[in-house]
Amino acid sequence: NAGVMQNPRHLVRRRGQEARLRCSPVKGHSHVYWYRQLPEEGLKFMVYLQKENIIDESGMPKERFSAEFPKEGPSILRIQQVVRGDSAAYFCASSPPSAGTYGYTFGSGTRLTVV
Amino acid sequence: TQLLEQSPQFLSIQEGENLTVYCNSSSVFSSLQWYRQEPGEGPVLLVTVVTGGEVKKLKRLTFQFGDARKDSSLHITAAQPGDTGLYLCAGAARGTSGSRLTFGEGTQLTVNP
Repeated sequence: NAGVMQNPRHLVRRRGQEARLRCSPVKGHSHVYWYRQLPEEGLKFMVYLQKENIIDESGMPKERFSAEFPKEGPSILRIQQVVRGDSAAYFCASSPPSAGTYGYTFGSGTRLTVV
Repeated sequence: TQLLEQSPQFLSIQEGENLTVYCNSSSVFSSLQWYRQEPGEGPVLLVTVVTGGEVKKLKRLTFQFGDARKDSSLHITAAQPGDTGLYLCAGAARGTSGSRLTFGEGTQLTVNP
């Protein structure tokens, strides 16, 4: 499978727990992006990473949220002490350096439900 | 902040009808892309337009990039139920590496049989 792999597809957490969302980009893609989507809404940018570097995190809440893309392994979006308002679909995308030319390849998303 | 406004937000039509979806901005983009998203899945890239005035066709879908590279349209001829989905436009900012895309809010299209 040459696509972006996200897991888990569905994640249920109780308020106050931690959520860890994983994303393996397309092989050879060095850029990873995380977006959040509420039902019947568009995609809200959260963070853009390259290997071992956060390039732009302007869309990510400053508290409780963090992201990484280590040299080895998948990118991780981590949400600490989840609240009901964190319930949403989280999409990861990857691209080669020129995303404006080649576009993003998206994963199928992780649907987080906070109960 | 560069914004992309899509219209209409919702569109419900009968099979066989034609439709046009618009994507507008006050900013200039180096390129613009259209994606389609089906329920429970991630968006899938349909097309990238780069040159002002460019027109691309993908079967029954026609995409146009405005001359000034600030807007784009998607026209679907003889819509089919399989065209149902959320259509998103996304722009790469001019003068940057183009790696971060700005997405519009989307047009939710429903084609009824």
